[in-house]
Amino acid sequence: DAKTTQPPSMDCAEGRAANLPCNHSTISGNEYVYWYRQIHSQGPQYIIHGLKNNETNEMASLIITEDRKSSTLILPHATLRDTAVYYCIVRVPWDNYGQNFVFGPGTRLSVLP
Amino acid sequence: DAGVTQSPTHLIKTRGQQVTLRCSPKSGHDTVSWYQQALGQGPQFIFQYYEEEERQRGNFPDRFSGHQFPNYSSELNVNALLLGDSALYLCASSSEGYNTEAFFGQGTRLTVV
Repeated sequence: DAKTTQPPSMDCAEGRAANLPCNHSTISGNEYVYWYRQIHSQGPQYIIHGLKNNETNEMASLIITEDRKSSTLILPHATLRDTAVYYCIVRVPWDNYGQNFVFGPGTRLSVLP
Repeated sequence: DAGVTQSPTHLIKTRGQQVTLRCSPKSGHDTVSWYQQALGQGPQFIFQYYEEEERQRGNFPDRFSGHQFPNYSSELNVNALLLGDSALYLCASSSEGYNTEAFFGQGTRLTVV
C-alpha cells in the first residue's frame, strides 16, 4: 500500500502558486519523497525528490517538514499545461540498492484560466 | 538523448493470446522497472530487472514475465491474456543506486478483447 495520502483534487488559478500537500506520517529515516506528474495518460514525469532538506529545481520546490511527516510541492506560477495528476511517492527500499515506487491515486490539479 | 522508449504504443489482442512489450532505457541507465496502470488508477509495480535478472517482483501472477538484454533493454511478456490485463504498461529506467531519478516511457496501451 502507498505510504502517502493526498487530496483527490485541487484547483489553482493560472499564474498563481499551486501548493500540493502530501502526508507521509509513517515514513522511515532513509526513505525519500518523490513527486511525479502524469498528463492525460502519458508516462509519469519526474518533478523533484528529497530526503529532509527543502529542494528546488527549474520546475518546482519541495518543502519537507522537520519531522518529515508531510511535504508540499510548490509550482510557483501555474500554467494551463500544469493541469495533471500529481503523485507524491515514498520510495521504499528493499535493500541498499533496490527500491520501487508505490503509487497512490494522486491529486488531480486543474489550473483554471 | 531519446529518453525511455517503448514499443508498440498501442496494441489490441484477443483473450488467451500472448503479448510482448519492449522498452529501451535512457542512455546510461542499467535498471528497468515495469508498471501496470489501469484506467483511473496509479501505476502498480510489476517487476524490476538489473544485470539481466529479475530483482524484485510485485503482486502479479506468473503469466507476467520479463527479460533484460545485455544492452539493458527489456521485454515484458504476458501469457494467456485476460480482459483485466487491459491497461497502460509503463517502463521506467534508472541507474543503480539508492537516491536516483527514474524516468518513465510513454507507455504501451494494451487492449484485450
